[in-house]
Amino acid sequence: QVKLVESGGGVVQPERSLRLSCAASGFTFSNDAMHWVRQAPGKGLEWVAVIWYDGSEKYYEDSVKGRFTISRDNSKNILFLQMNSLRVEDTALYYCTRDPSGSGWAFASWGQGTLVTVSS
Amino acid sequence: QSVLTQPPSASGTPGQRVTISCSGSSSNIGNRNVNWYQQVPGTAPKLLIYKNNQRPSGVPDRFSGSKSGTSASLAISGLHSDDEADYYCAAWDESLNGVVFGGGTKVTVL
Repeated sequence: QVKLVESGGGVVQPERSLRLSCAASGFTFSNDAMHWVRQAPGKGLEWVAVIWYDGSEKYYEDSVKGRFTISRDNSKNILFLQMNSLRVEDTALYYCTRDPSGSGWAFASWGQGTLVTVSS
Repeated sequence: QSVLTQPPSASGTPGQRVTISCSGSSSNIGNRNVNWYQQVPGTAPKLLIYKNNQRPSGVPDRFSGSKSGTSASLAISGLHSDDEADYYCAAWDESLNGVVFGGGTKVTVL
């Protein structure tokens, strides 16, 4: 079955960096676009970034542009999110999601999330 | 302030029908598919409806979606106590080049 396992979260000071990973299994990773979605404590869902199945295109939510970089390693079935210049408002549970081809931008599978806390 | 607008709450008694609206614009719902997610507190969201009205396997047919113009709706018929959750609509936005979510609707079963 499809499995997405995020890791790399933790407590970090403002302006520092963190790299999140998402290990994927149970499907053909190289066929699907992948996204990061976050949820601040007690708040709603917020889309963060997407990467095309082959890594050829990437798009970001405005508040993370220039600070976050999404990437993938299709040989190892891993999705990454490099987060630089972190801000207090980046504090959230970060989910890795799978967007199967032809699904109409639907997040068909979700990981359990990894918590990022930005605090001095 | 979310790009897609949902009512913050909805409620009903067991067996009733509840409808949740999601309002957007021509840059998102008007020209793109709408997807709906269910999030039970403390758990990861789950895809409920994709491409406006399609149900993934395993989702009961009590859940249905529709779209008209720049608005979409999720209907839950035969409300169950385990339908208590937060529900989110989402769509790709052509102007923002990204996915936008509604603020979420908390459904309470009275």
